[in-house]
Amino acid sequence: GNSVTQMEGPVTLSEEAFLTINCTYTATGYPSLFWYVQYPGEGLQLLLKATKADDKGSNKGFEATYRKETTSFHLEKGSVQVSDSAVYFCALRGEETSGSRLTFGEGTQLTVNP
Amino acid sequence: NAGVTQTPKFQVLKTGQSMTLQCAQDMNHEYMSWYRQDPGMGLRLIHYSVGAGITDQGEVPNGYNVSRSTTEDFPLRLLSAAPSQTSVYFCASSYSTGRRNSPLHFGNGTRLTVT
Repeated sequence: GNSVTQMEGPVTLSEEAFLTINCTYTATGYPSLFWYVQYPGEGLQLLLKATKADDKGSNKGFEATYRKETTSFHLEKGSVQVSDSAVYFCALRGEETSGSRLTFGEGTQLTVNP
Repeated sequence: NAGVTQTPKFQVLKTGQSMTLQCAQDMNHEYMSWYRQDPGMGLRLIHYSVGAGITDQGEVPNGYNVSRSTTEDFPLRLLSAAPSQTSVYFCASSYSTGRRNSPLHFGNGTRLTVT
């Protein structure tokens, strides 16, 4: 079946540091890949997505590239801010998935200190 | 445009009690789903629906019932609450299968504690 593995957290960085959160997946065919962000006390929000190999999703300074050869979708940001403190989830939707089912990773807690 | 609305935000139950978590969306989404979020386990799918009158089980359906009588509403019922159901519950909706790129829209969650 489909699965998503994220790097373990929590991750603590200083403001303006470089961020990488690793995400690898297992799925047949060509899944769609997503990063969601959850701010304290809120539901998940879509951060970015990619639907085919070598696509790069980007939003709010975050980027992730769909790497079919390494089955990865790592999240990066060049200079994090305190406001980026949140939990980040990697997710996939398989080609064969009925409805709109997403498979989520465990989530990575990010704390950015001033 | 309210998006996905969940009620209540917080709930405390005693073991064996029943309750219904409400979820409503105003985006005319065909697909609706319920997830539970537990520390270290990410989000796990409980039940989902691809349209009014159609429901199906996800990864962890035991102890939960759902129905979908309208496009807008997708309530989640706990018939006899157990401490293992202590969790944060999220309702999410999106357009249907035909739009694989359609993202899920989440409600703000219901934090349930069963004592």
